[in-house]
Amino acid sequence: EAGVAQSPRYKIIEKRQSVAFWCNPISGHATLYWYQQILGQGPKLLIQFQNNGVVDDSQLPKDRFSAERLKGVDSTLKIQPAKLEDSAVYLCASSSGVAESTDTQYFGPGTRLTVL
Amino acid sequence: SQQGEEDPQALSIQEGENATMNCSYKTSINNLQWYRQNSGRGLVHLILIRSNEREKHSGRLRVTLDTSKKSSSLLITASRAADTASYFCDRDKIIFGKGTRLHILP
Repeated sequence: EAGVAQSPRYKIIEKRQSVAFWCNPISGHATLYWYQQILGQGPKLLIQFQNNGVVDDSQLPKDRFSAERLKGVDSTLKIQPAKLEDSAVYLCASSSGVAESTDTQYFGPGTRLTVL
Repeated sequence: SQQGEEDPQALSIQEGENATMNCSYKTSINNLQWYRQNSGRGLVHLILIRSNEREKHSGRLRVTLDTSKKSSSLLITASRAADTASYFCDRDKIIFGKGTRLHILP
């Protein structure tokens, strides 16, 4: 079974530029998550999708971050414009969505973003 | 505020020894999960314990949960070099703490 795929693996941009990350979850997984992990800290949930609907985006900085999962499969996370403090690893995870409270999340390798 | 906090922040032990790390949380939970993150790799799920369970085992891992104290502990027995990683607890998938960085000394 293929795991969660993310691309690119690394991205370096200058502040005020835009960037987009892509995630392909495990086939059949209804729930998809985006996390931001700043160096030395634990992951912070940015947004949770159930199929193509948003379940929780309370910690997504909506003035600059956006995410979509139009067909309920793969997803993109965009930052526009980027700030220095956005430098982090962006992790995508998916779970089956059958039983939310006990679902196991499977994480992708992450995209490491550096904003100069 | 953080919904889960791991303690200690860092731990170094000799290979073969047992490692214990703790997680405290502030509000009631449905379940609590532990994850491992190796340097340069993604997060890997280790074990889930439900709120009505007190102890759970998986190989060399033992997790306990004390809902009255709002705390959980992860015990790794007979540690190996490959156990060197950061360990995070997760309350209902919402917010992770900063993790415990475990270093196994040869």
